[in-house]
Amino acid sequence: QEQLVESGGGLVKPGGSLRLSCAASGFTFSDYYMSWTRQAPGKGLEWISYISSGGSTIYYADSLQGRFTISRDNTKNSLYLQMHSLRVEDTAVYYCARVPLNYGGYYYGMDVWGQGTTVSVSS
Amino acid sequence: DIQMTQSPSSLSASVGDRVTITCRASQDISNSLAWYQQKPGKVPNFLIYAASTLQSGVPSRFSGSGSGTDFTLTISSLQPEDVATYYCQKFDSAPWTFGQGTKVEIK
Repeated sequence: QEQLVESGGGLVKPGGSLRLSCAASGFTFSDYYMSWTRQAPGKGLEWISYISSGGSTIYYADSLQGRFTISRDNTKNSLYLQMHSLRVEDTAVYYCARVPLNYGGYYYGMDVWGQGTTVSVSS
Repeated sequence: DIQMTQSPSSLSASVGDRVTITCRASQDISNSLAWYQQKPGKVPNFLIYAASTLQSGVPSRFSGSGSGTDFTLTISSLQPEDVATYYCQKFDSAPWTFGQGTKVEIK
């Protein structure tokens, strides 16, 4: 069964740092792009970042202003999100998701999602 | 960046009704659009990709259409289990922006 399990969330003070992890199982992790999406309490989905299967291509949402870094370790079947200079507005549930590619090598959606890990930024 | 705008923000319909949700891109994104369903307290579920292709396992009452800037998600006969918030997302290029969501309720 394809599965993603996030961890690393918690309560952090403004200005602090946190590293989220996403453990993949049930599929060949190194074949897939991966992505992070977040959802603030009572709000909609906000895409954060994606990383290509080998890690050479990375994109971020402009709103992050360089504070977050996505990475992956294909030997450990794991995706990461390093977050620095955290703000109250970064409070959210953070989801990792798998990004399949079509036969032409283009991404087209996020088909497997983890259950999410909660990040709370508060003094 | 391309903005994604959904309408309406919420709707209430009766069981068996046909429901249509619209997603508009601020620029042409061809057919690079996906739809998700998020039930209350649950993880998003991948419904449709390439604007109109149903993901495996999704009931056939769901359908998508559109190309360029205007897209629709249609539920042909609303069921109680369809109560959820629906999101569109662009995939032509990064950023992969979501629409703000449309909340569907039963009248």
